[in-house]
Amino acid sequence: SAVISQKPSRDICQRGTSLTIQCQVDSQVTMMFWYRQQPGQSLTLIATANQGSEATYESGFVIDKFPISRPNLTFSTLTVSNMSPEDSSIYLCSVGPIGNEQFFGPGTRLTVL
Amino acid sequence: EDKVVQSPLSLVVHEGDTVTLNCSYEVTNFRSLLWYKQEKKAPTFLFMLTSSGIEKKSGRLSSILDKKELFSILNITATQTGDSAVYLCAVVPSNTGKLIFGQGTTLQVKP
Repeated sequence: SAVISQKPSRDICQRGTSLTIQCQVDSQVTMMFWYRQQPGQSLTLIATANQGSEATYESGFVIDKFPISRPNLTFSTLTVSNMSPEDSSIYLCSVGPIGNEQFFGPGTRLTVL
Repeated sequence: EDKVVQSPLSLVVHEGDTVTLNCSYEVTNFRSLLWYKQEKKAPTFLFMLTSSGIEKKSGRLSSILDKKELFSILNITATQTGDSAVYLCAVVPSNTGKLIFGQGTTLQVKP
């Protein structure tokens, strides 16, 4: 199994600012992902965080808006840049598969005013 | 394009009822299908299904996959108010590890 922590758990930010979310895993994992869940919506994959190389972004997401770092196999960060109210969401990191499971962090609830 | 569709989108039942949640999918190079329960922020893993016709069971919850018809169902028997949550179905294509989620089914269980 894997235990994942995220910081911050929630934040309220002003329009135009940036927020960096951290994801820490208690063991080395190959695959790490960042998801977004907008209010009332399901989860959407933002990108795959690759250790030692640039992240792989899904359609509709770009590096300038959501820069990702993955310096090692236990840690990753997601930055939400130049925020607008439409960025208000829950952001979740995920790792796996490990065994038969895919694990999620506790999530970061972001509100942009 | 890979797609996961859940139905119904919402459901209201009374304690003790049995519910069936549906998940259909279209995906290239299917690897597995997962069910999650989401009450607050983080989804909680319920089941991973990879083979057709083999039922996975955990207490009052059970799930089965039909790879020929490309769907899965999640059954909850003798529902309790604590079962109230959003139930998410997700598919993993090939060996990517990334999850493609359906819209979710919001279940409300009334006392």
